[in-house]
Amino acid sequence: DVKVTQSSRYLVKRTGEKVFLECVQDMDHENMFWYRQDPGLGLRLIYFSYDVKMKEKGDIPEGYSVSREKKERFSLILESASTNQTSMYLCASSFRGNQPQHFGDGTRLSIL
Amino acid sequence: DAKTTQPPSMDCAEGRAANLPCNHSTISGNEYVYWYRQIHSQGPQYIIHGLKNNETNEMASLIITEDRKSSTLILPHATLRDTAVYYCIVVYFYGQNFVFGPGTRLSVLP
Repeated sequence: DVKVTQSSRYLVKRTGEKVFLECVQDMDHENMFWYRQDPGLGLRLIYFSYDVKMKEKGDIPEGYSVSREKKERFSLILESASTNQTSMYLCASSFRGNQPQHFGDGTRLSIL
Repeated sequence: DAKTTQPPSMDCAEGRAANLPCNHSTISGNEYVYWYRQIHSQGPQYIIHGLKNNETNEMASLIITEDRKSSTLILPHATLRDTAVYYCIVVYFYGQNFVFGPGTRLSVLP
């Protein structure tokens, strides 16, 4: 089975802090994704990567950056955390473009 | 804009088949229909996907109408552990962006 592991289930940070969310997959998938999930808004794509060191903006990239130095690891960075970035963050991976995406269990991030 | 329409909630008796409908009337020929579910406090779980033929796996069956404008996810023998929010999404053949709408909240009742 595909395993997508997110480093933390719950995280509390303060406004202005630089926040790192880590995601690791163990299936040699080419594609990795970061979403945020908010009540009433569904899942929204922040960034995705289709190869090492490659990244593409999703629908809501503002305030975020990403890093993919190794195939199995995709990091989401909040450069200067703000309260409106309080959310559930979900990482996913897939083998190729139209193959199913497999999700981690999410990180519930609170910015105080 | 949402590409799919689903009822906000449904109930199903334990042991019965759960039939979850989805309308995707603007689907194009190179778009797949995917189904996921999300159990509280977990990430979305992939269930099944299809292009135009009906599909079956160990979790569920997917029935797509001939005109591809709607589909039904069937859980043949629902259990209490199938209580979740079910998402029907439409994905371009080479697409990367899985857009999840509000889904259907399925409650399996004892």
